[in-house]
Amino acid sequence: EPEVTQTPSHQVTQMGQEVILRCVPISNHLYFYWYRQILGQKVEFLVSFYNNEISEKSEIFDDQFSVERPDGSNFTLKIRSTKLEDSAMYFCASSRDSGFYSNQPQHFGDGTRLSIL
Amino acid sequence: GENVEQHPSTLSVQEGDSAVIKCTYSDSASNYFPWYKQELGKRPQLIIDIRSNVGEKKDQRIAVTLNKTAKHFSLHITETQPEDSAVYFCAASFRSRNFGNEKLTFGTGTRLTIIP
Repeated sequence: EPEVTQTPSHQVTQMGQEVILRCVPISNHLYFYWYRQILGQKVEFLVSFYNNEISEKSEIFDDQFSVERPDGSNFTLKIRSTKLEDSAMYFCASSRDSGFYSNQPQHFGDGTRLSIL
Repeated sequence: GENVEQHPSTLSVQEGDSAVIKCTYSDSASNYFPWYKQELGKRPQLIIDIRSNVGEKKDQRIAVTLNKTAKHFSLHITETQPEDSAVYFCAASFRSRNFGNEKLTFGTGTRLTIIP
């Protein structure tokens, strides 16, 4: 069964540095998402991406964050000037084209644990 | 925006008994309700989902019910086994401006422990 893959599995970075988290969505999926989960808390939506542009973003996704699909397979989340509170597990997810009336499941990767020191 | 509440936060069940987890949502426009199971340090894994055009869906030992009028939905696990121990999250979809690209709003999770 195809899976969403994420790299690295764990990233340790000094506060103020930039990080790039990488994701390879499932190959025939067209919708891509980033979510965040602070340790012991619920999963929170960050951003969704379709047709090479952001479709929706949450209040968390401020100017510090950006996403990119640099080629036909990768989907990246960049965090500039990281802060201590950015420490969390970051999950990438993808879903198929859902059409107008239906909803397609979102499949999650294993996540990148980001630790800001 | 959408708000999803989930109860209980922890649940311990004797092996073989049933477990029920309940969620309520606030946005009447939500129309897709998945349930995810998350084992420690692992990805959220979709276990079952339900769309607003049906009231109940079952897959072996797992079932989900939806009450659109009351805006709540529940996960039912029967004949629980030790491997069912995990954190379970409910979620609701909130349609974004671009149709077909729905973000998920998650509940706060239920830590289910199956006692052998």
